Amino acid sequence: GQQLNQSPQSMFIQEGEDVSMNCTSSSIFNTWLWYKQDPGEGPVLLIALYKAGELTSNGRLTAQFGITRKDSFLNISASIPSDVGIYFCAVSSNTGNQFYFGTGTSLTVIP
Amino acid sequence: DTGVTQSPTHLIKTRGQQVTLRCSPISGHKSVSWYQQVLGQGPQFIFQYYEKEERGRGNFPDRFSARQFPNYSSELNVNALLLGDSALYLCASASGPMGEQYFGPGTRLTVT
Repeated sequence: GQQLNQSPQSMFIQEGEDVSMNCTSSSIFNTWLWYKQDPGEGPVLLIALYKAGELTSNGRLTAQFGITRKDSFLNISASIPSDVGIYFCAVSSNTGNQFYFGTGTSLTVIP
Repeated sequence: DTGVTQSPTHLIKTRGQQVTLRCSPISGHKSVSWYQQVLGQGPQFIFQYYEKEERGRGNFPDRFSARQFPNYSSELNVNALLLGDSALYLCASASGPMGEQYFGPGTRLTVT
């Protein structure tokens, strides 16, 4: 199956700092999604990207769909303790009948 | 609006048994997808159903099956359970076959 590689695998940051994480693939995808998952819960959709080069914001979160359609990044500005969790990128196949999740980036925010 | 609901929340089964997990999508959503999430990994796609038909299938053995009902709710069945089937099973709904997916809280399955 497809592999989405996320980096970094984990991050430890001070409250108030900005965060950047990215997701890369060896294949082209036309839809990129970013999710956050808290322990024991289902992933929550943060941002959806549908167009190469698209830059989309949701509050303190900003995500971009790479021009090559093989990558995406997520930025979090002015981190707060509730940003703690695991962030996943996800894509749907171009036929829309397969879905792939990345390996995840674990974020810890130190107050 | 009620989000995606799943039942049961937790389940403990013995190797070789069968299990049925249930999911109700967000009202108005016609697509339901199932995922398996093993501890420490990202969700792995199992099935997608749209308008009561299987639209996509991940790389899972035939022991895994699913169906979608006329009210768009769905069941995931796993036969001949193995220890390795222990995981969080997630259901996600979407308005269309390629729409943004919204996840339920999951069912934690433990196979002993």
